[in-house]
Amino acid sequence: GENVEQHPSTLSVQEGDSAVIKCTYSDSASNYFPWYKQELGKGPQLIIDIRSNVGEKKDQRIAVTLNKTAKHFSLHITETQPEDSAVYFCAASSKVIFGPGTSLSVIP
Amino acid sequence: DTGVSQDPRHKITKRGQNVTFRCDPISEHNRLYWYRQTLGQGPEFLTYFQNEAQLEKSRLLSDRFSAERPKGSFSTLEIQRTEQGDSAMYLCASTPQGTDTQYFGPGTRLTVL
Repeated sequence: GENVEQHPSTLSVQEGDSAVIKCTYSDSASNYFPWYKQELGKGPQLIIDIRSNVGEKKDQRIAVTLNKTAKHFSLHITETQPEDSAVYFCAASSKVIFGPGTSLSVIP
Repeated sequence: DTGVSQDPRHKITKRGQNVTFRCDPISEHNRLYWYRQTLGQGPEFLTYFQNEAQLEKSRLLSDRFSAERPKGSFSTLEIQRTEQGDSAMYLCASTPQGTDTQYFGPGTRLTVL
């Protein structure tokens, strides 16, 4: 079955710096890769997603890149703000197999 | 608010009791998913429905767990003879037809004493 790994597990950045979270997946048939942000006490919220026919997608301060050959994809957050502090999950495939999460802290 | 709703938000029960959770998806979303999330982990897939049909169940879904979506709208997840290991956040998500985007509810936090 699909296995998704995510690194780092925790990340602290200064406000205004960039944050990068990386994920790898095992099933080469996976074709859908969403990223979710989860704040304390809430369900995950989709922030950006990418399909396997695209290498990069950007939405304001958030971007995702996908390398299908290497089976890895990354989330990039630029100009981080304190409200970006949360747990971020990557996922792969239509059943949405989640990675273990990255706890991001943005230090003002 | 027309998002996914779940009820109750919190449930505390004693070991051995049965519990039932409800999920109301976004209107006209045809797919509905249940996940379990324990502290510090990502959500784990349990089962999903397309309309009223339950199409897939994870091996995590033991015979003490049952899910239904009788009319293709709301869904229930029942856990019989609860065990302390069942303590977790139970998340529901729905997806509109033709997309893979999942919209999550706030979850039901279950504590089994």
